[in-house]
Amino acid sequence: GEDVEQSLFLSVREGDSSVINCTYTDSSSTYLYWYKQEPGAGLQLLTYIFSNMDMKQDQRLTVLLNKKDKHLSLRIADTQTGDSAIYFCARGGAAGNKLTFGGGTRVLVKP
Amino acid sequence: DADVTQTPRNRITKTGKRIMLECSQTKGHDRMYWYRQDPGLGLRLIYYSFDVKDINKGEISDGYSVSRQAQAKFSLSLESAIPNQTALYFCATSDQGLGTHNEQFFGPGTRLTVL
Repeated sequence: GEDVEQSLFLSVREGDSSVINCTYTDSSSTYLYWYKQEPGAGLQLLTYIFSNMDMKQDQRLTVLLNKKDKHLSLRIADTQTGDSAIYFCARGGAAGNKLTFGGGTRVLVKP
Repeated sequence: DADVTQTPRNRITKTGKRIMLECSQTKGHDRMYWYRQDPGLGLRLIYYSFDVKDINKGEISDGYSVSRQAQAKFSLSLESAIPNQTALYFCATSDQGLGTHNEQFFGPGTRLTVL
């Protein structure tokens, strides 16, 4: 969707932190999500954040939300080779749960 | 067993042919969705259904139709396939619940190639 944008590619060394960025335009977004897609598989929800929060931490994952700038980021600490995948940012509104996805960021973890 | 299944997993067809993609779920969810994935464009919503017999157009419904005859099944049809419908198609389900977080659960995808 054009109103959710992500960079296409990120290369990171194993053990380093990865930061994937996302911007969106619709300020009515209620929930923001990060999904992971491994090769040949569907999408799996990694984490989500409610729009009244500015940070959420879940083990190696940290989500930061800047509502003023409409910017969302996902930080993966101690990145492993199993983290190589495509990561999708998505936003959902309060009315129903239709999601609008970004184009996905392909993360490649090098040993 | 997978909660959301799609058949077929791969299909090659010719321009003008009618194609049906099937989705079944055992999660007991009311809401089902069809998306297509194209490189660099992410997932775009084709159609969605909040209940049996409820059908709603998504962002890119032209050239597609759907049928929701049972809670567990949601099928996507291409009446006359064209090459730019070559893509990876995903079905997803979610529980209802306005105002609460609703995770969508995705099937494994169907890779469709239209020659």
